[in-house]
Amino acid sequence: KAGVTQTPRYLIKTRGQQVTLSCSPISGHRSVSWYQQTPGQGLQFLFEYFSETQRNKGNFPGRFSGRQFSNSRSEMNVSTLELGDSALYLCASSWTGPPYEQYFGPGTRLTVT
Amino acid sequence: GIQVEQSPPDLILQEGANSTLRCNFSDSVNNLQWFHQNPWGQLINLFYIPSGTKQNGRLSATTVATERYSLLYISSSQTTDSGVYFCAVETGTASKLTFGTGTRLQVTL
Repeated sequence: KAGVTQTPRYLIKTRGQQVTLSCSPISGHRSVSWYQQTPGQGLQFLFEYFSETQRNKGNFPGRFSGRQFSNSRSEMNVSTLELGDSALYLCASSWTGPPYEQYFGPGTRLTVT
Repeated sequence: GIQVEQSPPDLILQEGANSTLRCNFSDSVNNLQWFHQNPWGQLINLFYIPSGTKQNGRLSATTVATERYSLLYISSSQTTDSGVYFCAVETGTASKLTFGTGTRLQVTL
């Protein structure tokens, strides 16, 4: 069974631009979560989608948004990029019911200049 | 929110040595996972262990939920074990993991 995939793997953007990252979960997984990893803040939860609905949201500004499609694939968007948005963005998927073990993709490394 | 503390923050071992990594959490948890982050950033699942003990080769883990801690044991360490080990917990709200700050392990020859 294929793992979680994320595209693109690397991205360089300029301040003020916007960016869209994509995540395809493991086949059969309907929950997709997004995390941001920075040296200063560590790994932080962004949001989680289940059946095309945002079910949970972390403490991030409204510039960070996401969506999920009917095939469970998910995208996250960051608008008006700031230097502090430079980070590794990780996507995880999990099965609907217990165990709620999450499996992570390889991540998208975003650099904002 | 729940606090997750990992110790030690850094660990240097010679190949072949054993080690114990600890994860303390401040509240009851539904789920607990251990991950190894490789140099390319990917989080590799090691254990899903909300309670009890599990073993997988040279690695084993124990979670004592009533005392709010989990331990990850690495035996006969190898250089490929180097990287950062994270403990992550989930409380009440499904699919929202709270991560510890990690233990950075370096295994030398």
